[in-house]
Amino acid sequence: GEEVAQTPKHLVRGEGQKAKLYCAPIKGHSYVFWYQQVLKNEFKFLISFQNENVFDETGMPKERFSAKCLPNSPCSLEIQATKLEDSAVYFCASSQSEGPGNTIYFGEGSWLTVV
Amino acid sequence: GEDVEQSLFLSVREGDSSVINCTYTDSSSTYLYWYKQEPGAGLQLLTYIFSNMDMKQDQRLTVLLNKKDKHLSLRIADTQTGDSAIYFCAESPSRGTSYGKLTFGQGTILTVHP
Repeated sequence: GEEVAQTPKHLVRGEGQKAKLYCAPIKGHSYVFWYQQVLKNEFKFLISFQNENVFDETGMPKERFSAKCLPNSPCSLEIQATKLEDSAVYFCASSQSEGPGNTIYFGEGSWLTVV
Repeated sequence: GEDVEQSLFLSVREGDSSVINCTYTDSSSTYLYWYKQEPGAGLQLLTYIFSNMDMKQDQRLTVLLNKKDKHLSLRIADTQTGDSAIYFCAESPSRGTSYGKLTFGQGTILTVHP
C-alpha cells in the first residue's frame, strides 16, 4: 500500500493481559520501525527491522515486549502482561532503504490503554 | 547520546509567518526531519533536509540549517488555522546500524489565531 497501516487504532487491556499490535509497511519498504509515544509527547525508539531481520533492538524493554516481521505478514509488536505504564501510542514507521533520499513515514498509531 | 531541543509554544496570527526552531547535538552525517501531529492523529512527514544542505524550500515551507550552530528552523509562510498542530523536529543517522533511530524534540505547539 501507499501508507503505513496500523491496526488496531485503539486497544484497551486490563493489567496483566496481552496486547498485540500490527503494522503493514509501505509496499517496497524494507525497513520497519516501532516507536512509543507517552505523555508529554515523548517518543521512545523501540526496535527496527530490515526485512524480517532485527536491525536495532536497543530500545526494546527486555521483558514483556517482543516484535516480529515475517515474510508476507504484517509486522507485529506484542506486550505480554501489560502494565499501566505501557499505556501509550505505538507508532510504526517504514523506509525504503538507508542513505540520502530515503525518508521515514509513520502510520496513524495504535492507542493502547491499560486499565 | 544525541539530543534535540525545541521551544514548546508558538502563537501566531493567521496570514503571518511562523518560525519553529530546533537545535541538535549529533555531528555525524544525518537527516533532520519535520513532522506535524494533529490531535489524535499520527505523524505527518512535512519535509526533511540532509546535514550537508543549507536550505530546502517546499511550497509554504522553508527549512534552514546552520550546521555550525546545529540549528534548524522551519518557516511556514502565510500560516493558516489548519496549521495549528504540534511540530516535531527529529534527527537520524543517514545510514549504519542506527539508521531510522530517530531522536525527537519535545514538540512545538503551534496555535494560529484567526
